[in-house]
Amino acid sequence: DTGVSQNPRHKITKRGQNVTFRCDPISEHNRLYWYRQTLGQGPEFLTYFQNEAQLEKSRLLSDRFSAERPKGSFSTLEIQRTEQGDSAMYLCASSLGAGTGTMNTEAFFGQGTRLTVV
Amino acid sequence: GNSVTQMEGPVTLSEEAFLTINCTYTATGYPSLFWYVQYPGEGLQLLLKATKADDKGSNKGFEATYRKETTSFHLEKGSVQVSDSAVYFCALKTGGFKTIFGAGTRLFVKA
Repeated sequence: DTGVSQNPRHKITKRGQNVTFRCDPISEHNRLYWYRQTLGQGPEFLTYFQNEAQLEKSRLLSDRFSAERPKGSFSTLEIQRTEQGDSAMYLCASSLGAGTGTMNTEAFFGQGTRLTVV
Repeated sequence: GNSVTQMEGPVTLSEEAFLTINCTYTATGYPSLFWYVQYPGEGLQLLLKATKADDKGSNKGFEATYRKETTSFHLEKGSVQVSDSAVYFCALKTGGFKTIFGAGTRLFVKA
């Protein structure tokens, strides 16, 4: 399977604990995105990497959230001191960037990590 | 700012009925437009796309035409199946990097 892979698929944690999610993008994609989706809503943008550089962070991404993409390949999203309001589906997506000589810059999504904070 | 508005669901249809899910957008510049589908417990899958005005995207019997004059990208299918039951998201992407999604429309198809 050469699609976007996310681990774990499900995570239940107690309030106040730290959690970390991993995303492996499609190998040739230089852009990687994190989104959050709550029940009954569309995905909301959190942050974006071009290669290893984090180029944009949404105001939704509080100081408790941090994302990395150390070698421009896989990415991790860490949430510190989780709160019940953090419960959501966290989606990772990847794409080719504009300027790579293609019109196919649409995002391909992983299956998501569902976080439940109890 | 850029935004997407799509019809509220749920939409409930009988098998073989005609489907329309309305989507309109607001964007600066010339966005690419997408429909994504999300099956229960799954991530989003790209269903179809259109990158310029008057383009028609199509896949698996679904179609949508990029209408610049009405800023719309309505999703249609001539004959739905039970397996089409899912949540459908209209989305746009401008020259920037992020995809902006509508709130989603849940479709139920009854046998």
